[in-house]
Amino acid sequence: AQTVTQSQPEMSVQEAETVTLSCTYDTSENNYYLFWYKQPPSRQMILVIRQEAYKQQNATENRFSVNFQKAAKSFSLKISDSQLGDTAMYFCAFMNMEYGNKLVFGAGTILRVKS
Amino acid sequence: EPEVTQTPSHQVTQMGQEVILRCVPISNHLYFYWYRQILGQKVEFLVSFYNNEISEKSEIFDDQFSVERPDGSNFTLKIRSTKLEDSAMYFCASNGGPGLAGGPLRNEQFFGPGTRLTVL
Repeated sequence: AQTVTQSQPEMSVQEAETVTLSCTYDTSENNYYLFWYKQPPSRQMILVIRQEAYKQQNATENRFSVNFQKAAKSFSLKISDSQLGDTAMYFCAFMNMEYGNKLVFGAGTILRVKS
Repeated sequence: EPEVTQTPSHQVTQMGQEVILRCVPISNHLYFYWYRQILGQKVEFLVSFYNNEISEKSEIFDDQFSVERPDGSNFTLKIRSTKLEDSAMYFCASNGGPGLAGGPLRNEQFFGPGTRLTVL
């Protein structure tokens, strides 16, 4: 069974600075997806970024980028130019590369952006 | 942009009562899911549904839970006899499947806003 570990329960960053959230996972699969979801106080789950395991290039979405290290089974999220609206819980998630498969979530990291 | 909707946003019930949580997935999606998040904890998979039957269920999804797609539009989660520990946020999600918008590489689950269930 797959597991996802987020070792940082809480992080803080100053507005406009850069922060990196860590995630490691365990799987015997070779093809899979990795995701970062944001959950603001409204508790809506919002997809931030996704990475296909077969792609060597790290995914980027505006201020969000990942450092995907497949051999190390590591998938960290970097947020550049942090904004107050980035304050949220961030979940790392894993999914096997077949349709209909479930998402397996980590425990989450609370990120607080300070002004 | 199409979205997943859920009703009600907040449900309060007495222990032992039956509740039905409703979801309307994105209209051309084929795969449907329920997840649960107890306050302050991680999001946990409950069940997946495809082609009018359960594809996979977790150990949380015991005989007290059932899912149904009664009319090709709604996707419901029923809890027959609620317990205090069922208090949580319940999220519905849907996935388009291969050949739909974005093609087979999308495989993205779209989440609804959640239903907060409080069992007293």
